[in-house]
Amino acid sequence: AQRVTQPEKLLSVFKGAPVELKCNYSYSGSPELFWYVQYSRQRLQLLLRHISRESIKGFTADLNKGETSFHLKKPFAQEEDSAMYYCALASQGGSEKLVFGKGTKLTVNP
Amino acid sequence: KAGVTQTPRYLIKTRGQQVTLSCSPISGHRSVSWYQQTPGQGLQFLFEYFSETQRNKGNFPGRFSGRQFSNSRSEMNVSTLELGDSALYLCASSIHNEQFFGPGTRLTVL
Repeated sequence: AQRVTQPEKLLSVFKGAPVELKCNYSYSGSPELFWYVQYSRQRLQLLLRHISRESIKGFTADLNKGETSFHLKKPFAQEEDSAMYYCALASQGGSEKLVFGKGTKLTVNP
Repeated sequence: KAGVTQTPRYLIKTRGQQVTLSCSPISGHRSVSWYQQTPGQGLQFLFEYFSETQRNKGNFPGRFSGRQFSNSRSEMNVSTLELGDSALYLCASSIHNEQFFGPGTRLTVL
């Protein structure tokens, strides 16, 4: 079965500190992974996907198939990064059918 | 371009009633997915429609159903409401493997 685990419900860092949001997945096929973000009072939106290998707002994520992980990283956190972050896996049904982790609430303190 | 819209934004129903939620996708998007979000279970996939056909389905009882119209607008229906159906229902339209989420409909079942 497809499963996405985000072990940290809450993560708090200081501005300028590095941040890593963990995501582990369970999937028997070739995974397609995403990070979605929800800022306060805003909609859920795509932050990045592993296929594009982009850096968005300073965030990067590398797919590690050996460790079945897709951790989200940023070297210097900013206060505006405070949000809810969800890791998601596109299952066999395609990217229109996402399996989400429970999310990590990131707070960046001044 | 206008984003995904959902109506109504808030709804209060009593047990046993039925409810219909509506989703208008971004113009040109033919795929619409529905998700249920609760504090306990997080975001869970309900179903996805493409060109008026259900293409994917999650693990929800038959009380949850949906449909899509020729203009890509979609509705989901929940019959015989239960207290546990209280949730935020999100729809997302997608194109090129990216999902765009609506603001959600908050359903409260009393």
